[in-house]
Amino acid sequence: GENVEQHPSTLSVQEGDSAVIKCTYSDSASNYFPWYKQELGKRPQLIIDIRSNVGEKKDQRIAVTLNKTAKHFSLHITETQPEDSAVYFCAASMEQFYFGTGTSLTVIP
Amino acid sequence: DTAVSQTPKYLVTQMGNDKSIKCEQNLGHDTMYWYKQDSKKFLKIMFSYNNKELIINETVPNRFSPKSPDKAHLNLHINSLELGDSAVYFCASSQGTNDQPQHFGDGTRLSIL
Repeated sequence: GENVEQHPSTLSVQEGDSAVIKCTYSDSASNYFPWYKQELGKRPQLIIDIRSNVGEKKDQRIAVTLNKTAKHFSLHITETQPEDSAVYFCAASMEQFYFGTGTSLTVIP
Repeated sequence: DTAVSQTPKYLVTQMGNDKSIKCEQNLGHDTMYWYKQDSKKFLKIMFSYNNKELIINETVPNRFSPKSPDKAHLNLHINSLELGDSAVYFCASSQGTNDQPQHFGDGTRLSIL
């Protein structure tokens, strides 16, 4: 099956700085890569996703890049704000979702 | 309207009991899932189910069983609860299983005494 690795496990940044979270996957057949944000005590919510026929996708301060050859994809958050503090999960999907182990992001005001 | 709703939100019970968690989705999706999130926040798939196929994660004990009365519901039954079952259980749904986002419910926090 698919194996998704996510780094770092924890990340602290100053408000206004950028944050980058990286994921690698093992199965080249994976074709859908969503990112979820989970605030404390709440459900995971989709924030952005990318499909294998696209290299980059942007939505305001959030962007995702995909390198199919290297089998890795990254989440970029620019101009971070305290409300960006949460746990972020990447996932790779072929016939089912395989989630990464999560990154706890803290934005320091 | 809540798209994916689970009940109860909290469940506190004793070891050895049998309990159920209900899940309903009003999105018209054809696939539903159960996940377990432990104290380290790992999201572990337990089951995925559509009207054709039940896929079980082989590491899930057979004390756990999903029951789907119809396409909009996937309930989780747990027999002989153990201390290690304490976790947050999330239900989710999607249209198809491959390249569509999953929508999560608010979770059920299960605590075993």
